Amino acid sequence: EDQVTQSPEALRLQEGESSSLNCSYTVSGLRGLFWYRQDPGKGPEFLFTLYSAGEEKEKERLKATLTKKESFLHITAPKPEDSATYLCAVGSNYQLIWGAGTKLIIKP
Amino acid sequence: DTEVTQTPKHLVMGMTNKKSLKCEQHMGHRAMYWYKQKAKKPPELMFVYSYEKLSINESVPSRFSPECPNSSLLNLHLHALQPEDSALYLCASSHTGGLGETQYFGPGTRLLVL
Repeated sequence: EDQVTQSPEALRLQEGESSSLNCSYTVSGLRGLFWYRQDPGKGPEFLFTLYSAGEEKEKERLKATLTKKESFLHITAPKPEDSATYLCAVGSNYQLIWGAGTKLIIKP
Repeated sequence: DTEVTQTPKHLVMGMTNKKSLKCEQHMGHRAMYWYKQKAKKPPELMFVYSYEKLSINESVPSRFSPECPNSSLLNLHLHALQPEDSALYLCASSHTGGLGETQYFGPGTRLLVL
């Protein structure tokens, strides 16, 4: 059965404190792994798409990596404006499966 | 331009009303999606249109009726909704609808059913 699990559910960091969010998956054929950022009451904002193990992508303070079983979203020296819910979605051979999200709070 | 627009931003309707949500994209995409999102939950797929044809209907009640007038526009017609239908309704688009394609989302319509 296709499954996507994100951890932790919530993460509180001080401004400047680097950390990582995890998205682990079990799917029947990986078509793509997608990271989105979502602010309350707004639509998901696309961040990254990863297709194969070993692939990495960066954007400002964010870096996404992919292995055969999981993806990490690394956030370096975060700022309060990075506070949001980060969603991971995985395209398998049959469907797009969403993780439950990680709520990230960055305190000044 | 990776913009998907949705109108209205907010909608309040009674259970006997008929209303429509609208979505537009100008990225040349041939697949468009409707999602429903409840608070603290991920988006839940409702409908997929690919090349203006309905390709996926995730067993959504008939009080939700999608329409794709052309490759840039997507509507969701609402009739006789229930309070539990209150949610954020999201539109998205992608190149042709493949499961490996990035979907780009609009800002959503916040719907409240009284």
